Amino acid sequence: NAGVTQTPKFRVLKTGQSMTLLCAQDMNHEYMYWYRQDPGMGLRLIHYSVGEGTTAKGEVPDGYNVSRLKKQNFLLGLESAAPSQTSVYFCASTKRTSGIAKNIQYFGAGTRLSVL
Amino acid sequence: GENVEQHPSTLSVQEGDSAVIKCTYSDSASNYFPWYKQELGKRPQLIIDIRSNVGEKKDQRIAVTLNKTAKHFSLHITETQPEDSAVYFCAASKGSGNTGKLIFGQGTTLQVKP
Repeated sequence: NAGVTQTPKFRVLKTGQSMTLLCAQDMNHEYMYWYRQDPGMGLRLIHYSVGEGTTAKGEVPDGYNVSRLKKQNFLLGLESAAPSQTSVYFCASTKRTSGIAKNIQYFGAGTRLSVL
Repeated sequence: GENVEQHPSTLSVQEGDSAVIKCTYSDSASNYFPWYKQELGKRPQLIIDIRSNVGEKKDQRIAVTLNKTAKHFSLHITETQPEDSAVYFCAASKGSGNTGKLIFGQGTTLQVKP
């Protein structure tokens, strides 16, 4: 049981290049999330998904696209990378429950991206 | 939308002292408040959480209190140890029955000096 796995762990891009970050979870969670972490700004939600084939924008979606073709995978794409997208990216997932239920999010190990 | 403010941004204490981190939230519909700890270079991990129907929760040296009227909640760490040094994040959520989204505070870097 690996939990949440992110690939790659590190990447360096040149401005204008594109790339896709992969998040895979083996916990059969319905909800998945992509965050970026920058110093002093906490974890900011980029996009999220509440189920296969469904995605929605978070707090900072500009410059990113996502897809959830399979329940276990959530992809984050950068079409034309910019230096402002230099950050650490975390994926997380949680199970759908009801009422005032805990939605504990489990995080991947992160992807450190530098855009030059 | 929901906004979560966290203070202080940095906190330095002597080993054995207590540490308190405070958060305020804006959306009165929020009903779940977790705290995550992130060690250097690692992923955030849940350390304690509280639901809106509870005022206080304790787990060994850590405790969380919630004041729904004032819309603030706090993390208390007693008898701090060097291994408590990390970045701590508070968060607020309207619950998994919604979208499960968490809105995080900006984080507090806790340093415990031996």
